[in-house]
Amino acid sequence: EAGVTQFPSHSVIEKGQTVTLRCDPISGHDNLYWYRRVMGKEIKFLLHFVKESKQDESGMPNNRFLAERTGGTYSTLKVQPAELEDSGVYFCASSQARPGFHEQFFGPGTRLTVL
Amino acid sequence: AQSVSQHNHHVILSEAASLELGCNYSYGGTVNLFWYVQYPGQHLQLLLKYFSGDPLVKGIKGFEAEFIKSKFSFNLRKPSVQWSDTAEYFCAVNANTGGFKTIFGAGTRLFVKA
Repeated sequence: EAGVTQFPSHSVIEKGQTVTLRCDPISGHDNLYWYRRVMGKEIKFLLHFVKESKQDESGMPNNRFLAERTGGTYSTLKVQPAELEDSGVYFCASSQARPGFHEQFFGPGTRLTVL
Repeated sequence: AQSVSQHNHHVILSEAASLELGCNYSYGGTVNLFWYVQYPGQHLQLLLKYFSGDPLVKGIKGFEAEFIKSKFSFNLRKPSVQWSDTAEYFCAVNANTGGFKTIFGAGTRLFVKA
């Protein structure tokens, strides 16, 4: 079974540019999460999708970040315009919806560098 | 608000030494507890997890963790570390009242000297 995949693995952009990160969850996983780790800090929750609906977006830093999950499959996270402080590693995770079974499987992450 | 505290940010051990990494969480309800590991150049992997039942959990690569509910702790242990255990270790918690979003500790970088 394929794991969670993320694209690209690395992205280097200039301040003010736009970047779109993609996450493909494990097939059949209704829950999809985005997390971010800024250099030297802890991994922080950004948002949670259940199928195509945003369940919780309380961790989104500001309105420069837009996440979508059209059709309830893959998800994208767009940063527009990017700022220096957006640099970090963006992780995606997915889990099944079955009650009592809430292990999240993480993707390899996208390392974003904003210059 | 939920939070996870890891006691050590950096740990240096010699091979064959015993390891214990402390983790305390702040949350009053029913939680799921995890330890993840990130080896150099690799992505986050699950070491072990606790959902319910026996509070002593065995994971991969000889790791174990003990859930002590009264102390809100979930410490990670390994009796004898190897050079290949050099990695960053994250304690994490989630709960159904939080939508199962995972709260991570700051991580502990373990370096094992050969």
